[in-house]
Amino acid sequence: EAQVTQNPRYLITVTGKKLTVTCSQNMNHEYMSWYRQDPGLGLRQIYYSMNVEVTDKGDVPEGYKVSRKEKRNFPLILESPSPNQTSLYFCASSLRSGATNTEAFFGQGTRLTVV
Amino acid sequence: DAKTTQPPSMDCAEGRAANLPCNHSTISGNEYVYWYRQIHSQGPQYIIHGLKNNETNEMASLIITEDRKSSTLILPHATLRDTAVYYCIVRVAYGQTGANNLFFGTGTRLTVIP
Repeated sequence: EAQVTQNPRYLITVTGKKLTVTCSQNMNHEYMSWYRQDPGLGLRQIYYSMNVEVTDKGDVPEGYKVSRKEKRNFPLILESPSPNQTSLYFCASSLRSGATNTEAFFGQGTRLTVV
Repeated sequence: DAKTTQPPSMDCAEGRAANLPCNHSTISGNEYVYWYRQIHSQGPQYIIHGLKNNETNEMASLIITEDRKSSTLILPHATLRDTAVYYCIVRVAYGQTGANNLFFGTGTRLTVIP
């Protein structure tokens, strides 16, 4: 089954304690990205990756890092989490193509609370 | 990417067609209309997209006006499981630009009533 898998689904952590949220897709997609969703603000893109070893900042990259060492994995790293990073996070992937087959697949989300 | 305007909420009786409107008056010639939905904090789910012709798939139909300034997503027989927030997004074909950023906005909260 084609899917994007995030782990963990829920995480409560303390300020300053480094954490990693993993994201893996089994569709051989080139594009992967991370979004955060906050009430009243919709989904905002944090980072994206066009292919292995190619990453770039989205709209709200501050406080986050990513890596893309393999095509299927795109972890989100919070080196020193702060309470304003409490949010619902989504990983997404898509094929790199033209007009067809251009849907994005999203993971089920990671609800992060930083206290 | 062109901005979109959607009503904040709508109700629909179960079994009836749900018609969700979207205005995108500043759409450019190479921009597509995409629809996604999000069911209660789950990951957004792709529904359908189109450029200028009407489109239909197993989930929904998309009607785009001739001037492309607005569109309507139609769920032909709404069920309780269709209760969700529906997002209309206008952008160049996903995959053709680097960021692939989907601007979701606030969408329309559709409630299907038994």
